[in-house]
Amino acid sequence: ELKVEQNPLFLSMQEGKNYTIYCNYSTTSDRLYWYRQDPGKSLESLFVLLSNGAVKQEGRLMASLDTKARLSTLHITAAVHDLSATYFCAAFQGAQKLVFGQGTRLTINP
Amino acid sequence: EAGVAQSPRYKIIEKRQSVAFWCNPISGHATLYWYQQILGQGPKLLIQFQNNGVVDDSQLPKDRFSAERLKGVDSTLKIQPAKLEDSAVYLCASSTGTGEFYEQYFGPGTRLTVT
Repeated sequence: ELKVEQNPLFLSMQEGKNYTIYCNYSTTSDRLYWYRQDPGKSLESLFVLLSNGAVKQEGRLMASLDTKARLSTLHITAAVHDLSATYFCAAFQGAQKLVFGQGTRLTINP
Repeated sequence: EAGVAQSPRYKIIEKRQSVAFWCNPISGHATLYWYQQILGQGPKLLIQFQNNGVVDDSQLPKDRFSAERLKGVDSTLKIQPAKLEDSAVYLCASSTGTGEFYEQYFGPGTRLTVT
């Protein structure tokens, strides 16, 4: 059974700092997804990572995938308040199904 | 392109009552999903449809939950009777079911409170 774990679950950081969210998954998966969720809102797709070594960047967010280690990271560079949200990773289980992590609630303080 | 539509957005009911949620996926999307998201947790898949057939309902509590997708487009999810632990956001998502990314697009969700 595929399980996905994120850490940390809560992260409070200062504007301008860098930090990384980690996403581990328990069995082989060839696709990894990152979503953002603002309070009371639905999930917004950020990245889809398809292969080992894949790296994608959008603004201050960069995601990478290491399929051998079963690990994906979401790196935040020079954080700004607008990035405050909950971030979820999800691993592809096959048959078009995703298994989500618990989410990381990120708060960025001025 | 219109996104995934869901209604109602909010619903408050008493335990043992019934409730139904509606979802209209993105036009042309063959695959439709219902997720349950309990506060502070990630979404959990309840049921997956491919066109109007069920692909996976292994995590659907079938003694109280039911879902259908008539004509392979709109879908409804019903809870009867509701329990306190059913309080959650119910998310509908859709996907083309093909292509390299298998990306799922989520609706705004229905927030259910059972008192």
